[in-house]
Amino acid sequence: EIVLTQSPATLSLSPGERATLSCRASQSVSSYLAWYQQNLGQAPRLLIYDASNRATGIPARFSGSGSGTDFTLTISSLEPEDFAVYYCQQRSNWPWTFGQGTKVEI
Amino acid sequence: EVQLVESGGGLVQPGGSLRLSCVASGFTFSRYAMSWVRQAPGKGLEWVSAISGGGDSTYYVDSVKGRFTVSKDISKNTMYLQMSSLRAEDTAVYYCAKDFALGGGTVVDYWGQGTLVTVSS
Repeated sequence: EIVLTQSPATLSLSPGERATLSCRASQSVSSYLAWYQQNLGQAPRLLIYDASNRATGIPARFSGSGSGTDFTLTISSLEPEDFAVYYCQQRSNWPWTFGQGTKVEI
Repeated sequence: EVQLVESGGGLVQPGGSLRLSCVASGFTFSRYAMSWVRQAPGKGLEWVSAISGGGDSTYYVDSVKGRFTVSKDISKNTMYLQMSSLRAEDTAVYYCAKDFALGGGTVVDYWGQGTLVTVSS
């Protein structure tokens, strides 16, 4: 099973600041990595797929990069609605797995 | 508009059984792989099971193999998760999830609202 390790566990920032979230895979997942945002009590929402492609309707302030084992989600300027938990997910090998999440808090 | 509506969750005793349902609408159900993803209270996300568009291929995480069975009734646009020999560690919100259909492994583009399964005596 591919293990995804996200860092940091918690990121404390203010609106307008830049957020950089990391996801490291225990083995190469090529570019088969996605990012999701989850607000409390809600289902996750797809942000980025295949490392760097924004999903439909996702604002341009969200960007993804990386390949192989190291990936980054960047939020260029935090909006109030961006304070949430973010998960990375690989689809290279079954079982598809998620990272443990990074909480972006004010 | 794509909609996924889960039902069937509830309180069940350890060792008991439960069947979850997910009714899909707004897309051609037979063309898309579907999955069940769960989230224990206060914890992260865990992929439980997946099923191909036509329902002929199924996948399970090791912790549920032999206890859970996923299926699709294409005529009813419904996916099921039959859960048996339930354990306390199966307690979670179970989400129904639709594949984005990029080819290969799954990326979820639509999620249901989730149904809570609580395993406790």
